[in-house]
Amino acid sequence: DTAVSQTPKYLVTQMGNDKSIKCEQNLGHDTMYWYKQDSKKFLKIMFSYNNKELIINETVPNRFSPKSPDKAHLNLHINSLELGDSAVYFCASAAASGSRNTQYFGPGTRLTVL
Amino acid sequence: DAKTTQPTSMDCAEGRAANLPCNHSTISGNEYVYWYRQIHSQGPQYIIHGLKNNETNEMASLIITEDRKSSTLILPHATLRDTAVYYCIVRVSGTYKYIFGTGTRLKVLA
Repeated sequence: DTAVSQTPKYLVTQMGNDKSIKCEQNLGHDTMYWYKQDSKKFLKIMFSYNNKELIINETVPNRFSPKSPDKAHLNLHINSLELGDSAVYFCASAAASGSRNTQYFGPGTRLTVL
Repeated sequence: DAKTTQPTSMDCAEGRAANLPCNHSTISGNEYVYWYRQIHSQGPQYIIHGLKNNETNEMASLIITEDRKSSTLILPHATLRDTAVYYCIVRVSGTYKYIFGTGTRLKVLA
């Protein structure tokens, strides 16, 4: 049983297209995250939801829109894709309460924009 | 936000202890130190975390200095499968936000 899963694993698309990445966690966690890891391997947080409510929204172009239909899912929709969006996108989840807040990461989605 | 500084890369002989240092001189009193690793573009994997006491689990030990301005992750008997990028992270207090640094690329040599 995969704790945090993402689909698709690879995504190749043309500039200007709209695409979505899905994330699901079966850990019963309240908080979910999206991270972007660029070609230089910097891992940067983009968004976080807690119980379907947006709690972290970094400086991300508004072409990126997260959606959390329930606390087990956090999807990322990207409009008008640009070359610079090429990266690996990781989803993560964590229990909201307590000091631990250990984050569990998904396997990543490698997005290539041509 | 507390920031962390780590060496860019380190080598370690297989079977020996790997000691990975991290500086977090601006850490505040209620901020935890977390360590994660990323093996070859897989998702980051949690290793250990601590506040001020030393911690040990089945994967590693974490030594935090008394002033909390630095810490060391110890892999007691490194194996080839421990080759990875190791991130030292300070969670921003009062939030669920991690700030990842550049990490240390550890290469375990046969």
